[in-house]
Amino acid sequence: EAGVAQSPRYKIIEKRQSVAFWCNPISGHATLYWYQQILGQGPKLLIQFQNNGVVDDSQLPKDRFSAERLKGVDSTLKIQPAKLEDSAVYLCASSLTRGWDEQYFGPGTRLTVT
Amino acid sequence: DQQVKQNSPSLSVQEGRISILNCDYTNSMFDYFLWYKKYPAEGPTFLISISSIKDKNEDGRFTVFLNKSAKHLSLHIVPSQPGDSAVYFCAAEANFGNEKLTFGTGTRLTIIP
Repeated sequence: EAGVAQSPRYKIIEKRQSVAFWCNPISGHATLYWYQQILGQGPKLLIQFQNNGVVDDSQLPKDRFSAERLKGVDSTLKIQPAKLEDSAVYLCASSLTRGWDEQYFGPGTRLTVT
Repeated sequence: DQQVKQNSPSLSVQEGRISILNCDYTNSMFDYFLWYKKYPAEGPTFLISISSIKDKNEDGRFTVFLNKSAKHLSLHIVPSQPGDSAVYFCAAEANFGNEKLTFGTGTRLTIIP
């Protein structure tokens, strides 16, 4: 079974530029999550989708971050404009459905904002 | 507001010995706890979990203990192997099934051959 795919793996941008990350979850997984992991900290949930609907985006900085999951499969996370403090690893995870405790994580995208 | 705390950033253990990783939480609404393991350049992988109705869960070399009164859980690895060297994250969830995980800051475990 293929795992969660993410691209790119690494990205370096200057502050005030825009960036987008892509995630393809495990086939058949209805729930998709985006996490931000700042160096030295644990992953923090940014947004959770159930199929193509948003379940929780309470910790998403909506003035600069946006995410979508069209057709309920793959998802994109965008930052516009980026700030220095956005430097982090962005992890995508998926789970079979709501109420399924095990989340499967992708390898992450390491973003450096200079 | 760090609701899940792992106070030891790193731990070194001799191969074959027991590794004990600790985690404390402050939110009394947490009722489900998970441990994830993370290798460099990879995403976290699920290791073991425990619900608040239990005080122990075992899976092979891995055992998780939960002390609800102390709001403390621990992960025991026996015997420790070189492949266990990784960062371990404790995570907690309120209202089991809502999947919103709150993670600790992680403990880097190094197994010394």
